[in-house]
Amino acid sequence: KQEVTQIPAALSVPEGENLVLNCSFTDSAIYNLQWFRQDPGKGLTSLLLIQSSQREQTSGRLNASLDKSSGRSTLYIAASQPGDSATYLCAVRPAGGGNKLTFGTGTQLKVEL
Amino acid sequence: DGGITQSPKYLFRKEGQNVTLSCEQNLNHDAMYWYRQDPGQGLRLIYYSQIVNDFQKGDIAEGYSVSREKKESFPLTVTSAQKNPTAFYLCASSIGDTDTQYFGPGTRLTVL
Repeated sequence: KQEVTQIPAALSVPEGENLVLNCSFTDSAIYNLQWFRQDPGKGLTSLLLIQSSQREQTSGRLNASLDKSSGRSTLYIAASQPGDSATYLCAVRPAGGGNKLTFGTGTQLKVEL
Repeated sequence: DGGITQSPKYLFRKEGQNVTLSCEQNLNHDAMYWYRQDPGQGLRLIYYSQIVNDFQKGDIAEGYSVSREKKESFPLTVTSAQKNPTAFYLCASSIGDTDTQYFGPGTRLTVL
């Protein structure tokens, strides 16, 4: 059974700092991995999706990497801003595709002025 | 304005009552999903539907029921058989079953 872990559970950084969020998964047979952002009391917003054949994806100040063989993904946020404060979740889809995403519990990020 | 809507935003229920949560999308997506989110836990899949008039159980379907009579609508009923229904419920949709899922704003259900 796939398990997804995100460490740390919470992180507080000063504005302007570059930071890395971690996601690890136990079964490397994945189809893709997705990073989401969730603001308090709101739904999820998709940030980046990495296919199993890809090593990284970039969008603006965000860069997500994938090392499938070691079961790890990282989300790099450059020059963090207070508006980046949110919970970041990763989710993996099993090899063969299909509907069932397995989510991590998230990292709650706070960027302070 | 395309998107997914969920209503109500907050819902209160007495023990023993059934309640229905609404989810509507105008994205013309075939697949729709219901998740439950509890503090300190990842999202867990309740039910999903790949096409109208068809749906499958997810990991925690007990105490829940769904219908998919229209492409744009996927209501979730929380029945009195659900032992611990207080949670944040999220609906999502996608073009196909391997595509990016887009989420609604969620409904917070509290059982009094």
